[in-house]
Amino acid sequence: NAGVTQTPKFQVLKTGQSMTLQCAQDMNHEYMSWYRQDPGMGLRLIHYSVGAGITDQGEVPNGYNVSRSTTEDFPLRLLSAAPSQTSVYFCASSYKVGGSYNEQFFGPGTRLTVL
Amino acid sequence: GDSVTQMEGPVTLSEEACLTINCTYTATGYPSLFWYVQYPGEGLQLLLKATKADDKGSNKGFEATYRKETTSFHLEKGSVQVSDSAVYFCALYNFNKFYFGSGTKLNVKP
Repeated sequence: NAGVTQTPKFQVLKTGQSMTLQCAQDMNHEYMSWYRQDPGMGLRLIHYSVGAGITDQGEVPNGYNVSRSTTEDFPLRLLSAAPSQTSVYFCASSYKVGGSYNEQFFGPGTRLTVL
Repeated sequence: GDSVTQMEGPVTLSEEACLTINCTYTATGYPSLFWYVQYPGEGLQLLLKATKADDKGSNKGFEATYRKETTSFHLEKGSVQVSDSAVYFCALYNFNKFYFGSGTKLNVKP
C-alpha cells in the first residue's frame, strides 16, 4: 500500500493564480481531511469529508474548495492564491473504530509559497 | 469550541533524562485523545491514543493517561534518547473533527 500520497511536494505561485493540491489514499478510508501547518500554530483543519460526495468545513476554510467524487481522492483547490496561504499542507485519512474516527494517516505534505 | 493547549517549546534534554510534555483540552462530550510525532520533513505519525477517561496509551516507552477530571493528556517518557528528537503534537477527535495543539519541539542531546 502506498498509504496517503500528495502531489506536488513543492509549489511556488504568484498572487491570484489558482492551483489544485492532489491527495489520494489506497486504504479505502471513509474520512479524509486537509490541514495547513504554520509555525507556532500547529495543524489547522481546512476541510474534511466523511465519504464520497460529502464534504464539510473545518476551522479555516476560506479561500479553499474541496470535492470528493471517489473514496480515494480528495483534491484541495486554491481559487485565487494569496500570500497568507503560504504554508505546508497535509492531507490525512482515517477509518472508524467503534463508531468514531480514529488514527489519522498523513501524507508527506506540500510546501506552498505564494509570492 | 473544542481546542488543545500544549506547552511551548523547545524542550532540550540530555539523553536518559525524564520527559513530560503537558497537554490540556477543552471539549464537549467524550473526545478521543492522541499524541502524534513529526520528524523533520515528514508528515505526522500516531504515537499513542486513548479513547475514554482513565485509559492509558503507550508506545515506544511513551505514555499518556486520559484524565477527564483535569482535562489533561500529558506525554511522559522515563528515559529519552537522541532518536526521540522531533516535534510532538497533542490532538483530540470530537464530532468528525480533529483538533491539534501547536506542537512542542524536543531536542535530546547526547
